[in-house]
Amino acid sequence: NAGVMQNPRHLVRRRGQEARLRCSPMKGHSHVYWYRQLPEEGLKFMVYLQKENIIDESGMPKERFSAEFPKEGPSILRIQQVVRGDSAAYFCASSPGGRHQETQYFGPGTRLLVL
Amino acid sequence: GENVEQHPSTLSVQEGDSAVIKCTYSDSASNYFPWYKQELGKGPQLIIDIRSNVGEKKDQRIAVTLNKTAKHFSLHITETQPEDSAVYFCAASRGYGGSQGNLIFGKGTKLSVKP
Repeated sequence: NAGVMQNPRHLVRRRGQEARLRCSPMKGHSHVYWYRQLPEEGLKFMVYLQKENIIDESGMPKERFSAEFPKEGPSILRIQQVVRGDSAAYFCASSPGGRHQETQYFGPGTRLLVL
Repeated sequence: GENVEQHPSTLSVQEGDSAVIKCTYSDSASNYFPWYKQELGKGPQLIIDIRSNVGEKKDQRIAVTLNKTAKHFSLHITETQPEDSAVYFCAASRGYGGSQGNLIFGKGTKLSVKP
């Protein structure tokens, strides 16, 4: 009964490098959400994806950030040319389709530190 | 857009006492209200949720109430134990479908249960 998996759990990057965060949803779940959490803050929605489709990216910065959820493999959140302000915990959540699609289960997160 | 306010930001109780955390929301179209518990260094864990067609829901020591007219909902934890110590987040969404599934979170309540 594996839950949502994220890797890496911790990621250190220097300014200007790229960060790639991976998320494998729970078995049977085809919906993935990415959220960002700054210290002492709540989670902020970034992007919602289904297999091969971006459904809502209204919370994701227009530049440097991108997300995908390919037919095969995990969902990827990619941050290009990272800056110190990108330092945060990034959480992925998955949900099943159907009647209770809105119920979201979170992974352990990736803590990104930009030096 | 939706805004979720959560109070108090910190709460300290004696073991065995009850704890109550309150949230208000602004979007009258919101119809799904989950509560998450987050321990240090971990991802949010869904502990209970309620949908707008229900006024109250209980699961052992945890209960949630919803007042749609006043647009507020509350988490009640009875007979608190030290392991209940964590940060608790409320959230709201419009439920499934299109761009409506993303959760809007409160800023969290840090609960400390003193033995």
